[in-house]
Amino acid sequence: AQKVTQAQTEISVVEKEDVTLDCVYETRDTTYYLFWYKQPPSGELVFLIRRNSFDEQNEISGRYSWNFQKSTSSFNFTITASQVVDSAVYFCALSEGGGSNYKLTFGKGTLLTVNP
Amino acid sequence: GAVVSQHPSRVICKSGTSVKIECRSLDFQATTMFWYRQFPKQSLMLMATSNEGSKATYEQGVEKDKFLINHASLTLSTLTVTSAHPEDSSFYICSARPLPPSGRYNEQFFGPGTRLTVL
Repeated sequence: AQKVTQAQTEISVVEKEDVTLDCVYETRDTTYYLFWYKQPPSGELVFLIRRNSFDEQNEISGRYSWNFQKSTSSFNFTITASQVVDSAVYFCALSEGGGSNYKLTFGKGTLLTVNP
Repeated sequence: GAVVSQHPSRVICKSGTSVKIECRSLDFQATTMFWYRQFPKQSLMLMATSNEGSKATYEQGVEKDKFLINHASLTLSTLTVTSAHPEDSSFYICSARPLPPSGRYNEQFFGPGTRLTVL
């Protein structure tokens, strides 16, 4: 069975600090997909990134970057120069191949608070 | 593209009544739709998976007679909470997976959620 662990329940930083959110996953499939979502207080999930298991390249998008390491089954997310608007709950999620209808398994989420 | 809507966004009802929540994919056809439930300060929990024209598959521990799911078309799925009780109060989120050959057929696109309060 697949599993996603986000060990950090809450993180609090001061604006402009860099912060890394950890995500460790477990799966037996060789083909899988990893996601990060942001959930602000409004509740609507905001898609941040998708990464498939065959693409280990790290990705950078503005202040956001992701580090995918299959050797340690981790898909960590870093926010550089954090801002108050980054305050939200962040979820890491995993889906396996088509046989499961690409069902998503979510981690428990990390609540990030960025203080001014 | 890939917009999913939910209606209503917020509903308050009395205990014992039934509530229907609609989930629509607005600009794509969805082969599969999913329903999640999220309690305060918790993660999303998958309730059921539905494919158009067939019965929904419920996750373990989810009462199918209480949470009725209908997926009558490739753009609409509904969740009906029957005989609602205060413990059913929660945030319900749907998602939809596009039909191939969409390049994003292996992703889910999420609705904005419905906050249900049962008095």
